[in-house]
Amino acid sequence: DGGITQSPKYLFRKEGQNVTLSCEQNLNHDAMYWYRQDPGQGLRLIYYSQIVNDFQKGDIAEGYSVSREKKESFPLTVTSAQKNPTAFYLCASSTLATNYGYTFGSGTRLTVV
Amino acid sequence: DQQVKQNSPSLSVQEGRISILNCDYTNSMFDYFLWYKKYPAEGPTFLISISSIKDKNEDGRFTVFLNKSAKHLSLHIVPSQPGDSAVYFCAASGMRNDMRFGAGTRLTVKP
Repeated sequence: DGGITQSPKYLFRKEGQNVTLSCEQNLNHDAMYWYRQDPGQGLRLIYYSQIVNDFQKGDIAEGYSVSREKKESFPLTVTSAQKNPTAFYLCASSTLATNYGYTFGSGTRLTVV
Repeated sequence: DQQVKQNSPSLSVQEGRISILNCDYTNSMFDYFLWYKKYPAEGPTFLISISSIKDKNEDGRFTVFLNKSAKHLSLHIVPSQPGDSAVYFCAASGMRNDMRFGAGTRLTVKP
């Protein structure tokens, strides 16, 4: 079955540590995206990539980094520079056509302890 | 700066009645608009979309209306069912397909 997988579902991090969230898709989608959800703020775009080895900053990229070495994978690293990392992180993928919606993963809840 | 706004955080309707969820946007470069449905601790699922060249799109019980001059769109659910209870996100995208989402409206359909 084609889909998009995020792991782990729950992640705990100590302050000052970097942590990497995994996102893998087997839909053969060209584009991949990372969003962050906070209560009352909806989904905010962190980074996106439309092609391998290329990515663009979204609206809240500070404190985050990404890589796109393979079409199927788009890991997100939450660095120690991110001031408020506790949130629900969602990865999505899509074709390059704008008339199709995204396919989302089931999310990773990151908690800084 | 929020480019997509959903000003009603919650909406409660009776089963069988119409649910109307509203959304406003500020960026005139958006050319595609979508609605997503989301349950807790899950990713959103695509519900219905509309191109900026249309003013209405219908899919079963769901209809999306677009008013470009007012930069406003709405989702109508008729008739509403208890299984429709979820958070609904409005989203908009431009040529690069980098979608922006509203804050969501929690719909509760009471039996």
